[in-house]
Amino acid sequence: NAGVTQTPKFQVLKTGQSMTLQCAQDMNHEYMSWYRQDPGMGLRLIHYSVGAGITDQGEVPNGYNVSRSTTEDFPLRLLSAAPSQTSVYFCASGTSDTQYFGPGTRLTVL
Amino acid sequence: GDSVTQMEGPVTLSEEAFLTINCTYTATGYPSLFWYVQYPGEGLQLLLKATKADDKGSNKGFEATYRKETTSFHLEKGSVQVSDSAVYFCALSESGNTPLVFGKGTRLSVIA
Repeated sequence: NAGVTQTPKFQVLKTGQSMTLQCAQDMNHEYMSWYRQDPGMGLRLIHYSVGAGITDQGEVPNGYNVSRSTTEDFPLRLLSAAPSQTSVYFCASGTSDTQYFGPGTRLTVL
Repeated sequence: GDSVTQMEGPVTLSEEAFLTINCTYTATGYPSLFWYVQYPGEGLQLLLKATKADDKGSNKGFEATYRKETTSFHLEKGSVQVSDSAVYFCALSESGNTPLVFGKGTRLSVIA
């Protein structure tokens, strides 16, 4: 099992550009989520999904879109990147009592 | 809403010292409690967990006991090693398929 994979590992964008952060898991988990990690802020939930076709907003959803067309994939879309979205992004999947995290995507918006 | 508060870091210890990282929580129900660890440049890994009051989670020499009366889940290790240097996150989850709520993390540095 590869676990949770994220691509790309690093990305630099210009303000206003759009992009998609990919997340995939091969553990057949229904639950998946996206977090951003900023210094001194811990991890903040952006969006999450409890199954294919079902998504919900977390603490900081503005500027991000998600969809869940399959159990395996949960992409995060930045519609128009802003410098405030410079962060490290983590995807996670899991069961009710254990979450598995991907290695992260470090995004810089200039 | 639910929240987790953990001690501010950074914490710097000498090898073989005793470690305590305090964590308290606020929740409406009876959450499961977790400690996650993040090594440099990596994602988070589950370190230990406890699902009900008085449960003790343990792994790799780390322990934490779910104390409902004090709403706490403090992380302890009797003798830290340089390889324990990492950021430690306390977290809770109210029920299955609900998002984890994280504390802000505590950076631990262990020096030889």
